[in-house]
Amino acid sequence: EIVMTQSPATLSVSPGERVTLSCRASQSVSSDVAWYQQKPGQAPGLLIYGASTRATGVPARFSGSGSGTEFSLTISSLQSEDLGIYYCQQYNNWPPAFPFGPGTKVDI
Amino acid sequence: EVQLVESGGALVQAGGSLRLSCAASGLTVSNTYMTWVRQAPGQGLEWVSVIYTNDYTHYADSVEGRFTISRDNSKNSLDLQMNSLREEDTAMYYCARVIRGNHWFDSWGRGTLVTVSS
Repeated sequence: EIVMTQSPATLSVSPGERVTLSCRASQSVSSDVAWYQQKPGQAPGLLIYGASTRATGVPARFSGSGSGTEFSLTISSLQSEDLGIYYCQQYNNWPPAFPFGPGTKVDI
Repeated sequence: EVQLVESGGALVQAGGSLRLSCAASGLTVSNTYMTWVRQAPGQGLEWVSVIYTNDYTHYADSVEGRFTISRDNSKNSLDLQMNSLREEDTAMYYCARVIRGNHWFDSWGRGTLVTVSS
């Protein structure tokens, strides 16, 4: 079973700051990682897939990188609307199981 | 535009059953991989189940043998039959579209709340 971990658990930042969130897989998952954003009181939404491809409509300030076991999500200049919880997820296994990381909460 | 609307959440006693539905528009569930994800109050996301277009299904260990995912093609909806409910099944349940062949979840519903009391 592949386990996803994320760090830090919480990040307190100011608008305009550059923010990097980390995600680690317990074994190699190639580039089969997605990132989701969950704003307070809302359902999650897809941000990044394939480790580095932005989903439709996602602002360019969001970028993803990594492969194998180490992944990161960077927000180049944090905006107030970016507060929420960010989850990574891997989808490189059979039978299909799609574990999420525990999330990183971004506080403004 | 894809829209997913969950329904069926309720307060139920432990040991009871509940059936959730996810009404879809902008997609055809029979041609789409679909999944359920849940989130306990104040907790993170937990994947629950997936169904492929060939009716292949798979479940998280925590719900295997108690939950059943299915489609109702006549209603263009996704269902989740939940039996032998436990307090730890208390959560917001989301349905989502799975991108075929790649398995990320690109469209999500707003969720329906299931509360299991002892």
